Amino acid sequence: SQTIHQWPATLVQPVGSPLSLECTVEGTSNPNLYWYRQAAGRGLQLLFYSVGIGQISSEVPQNLSASRPQDRQFILSSKKLLLSDSGFYLCAWAPGLAGSTEQFFGPGTRLTVL
Amino acid sequence: DAKTTQPNSMESNEEEPVHLPCNHSTISGTDYIHWYRQLPSQGPEYVIHGLTSNVNNRMASLAIAEDRKSSTLILHRATLRDAAVYYCILKRNSGYALNFGKGTSLLVTP
Repeated sequence: SQTIHQWPATLVQPVGSPLSLECTVEGTSNPNLYWYRQAAGRGLQLLFYSVGIGQISSEVPQNLSASRPQDRQFILSSKKLLLSDSGFYLCAWAPGLAGSTEQFFGPGTRLTVL
Repeated sequence: DAKTTQPNSMESNEEEPVHLPCNHSTISGTDYIHWYRQLPSQGPEYVIHGLTSNVNNRMASLAIAEDRKSSTLILHRATLRDAAVYYCILKRNSGYALNFGKGTSLLVTP
């Protein structure tokens, strides 16, 4: 069966510090991978998605970036965190088909920027 | 992507049916209607999806209006564990991404 892992589970970082969040998927090949963010009291915002190694689509311009160095690894990064980057970050995967019906979400990383 | 409109919140009694509405008047012919739910402090989970016909699965039923401009997610017997935010999302069959709105926060009371 497929599983999705995210780490760390929680993170407290000062403003201006770098960020690296990692997401890995097991039990599947060529998945589509996604990063979402949920600010406090708000809905989920799609940040990035990837349909293959090295292929990244950005939905919202900001100081975050994403990379996919391996088929089942998706990394979210920032060089300098802002207070507004605080939130609940969720990674998701879906079968590698444009018409796939279901996305599977990881447990999330709760980021607090102070 | 076409937009959906849902009530901000709804309340239900335990073991009663719940009907969660969603309006999507600008839906296109290739848009599928998806429902996800998010329990507190967790990632969303898939509930059900459909195109034109009503759909049933172990979690819920989806009733789609004949003109497809609205749909209703039906939980047949609400339990306390069904308290969550329910999202109605339109997704093109050729698309990759889900665009979540604010959803409906469902409160289930004993």
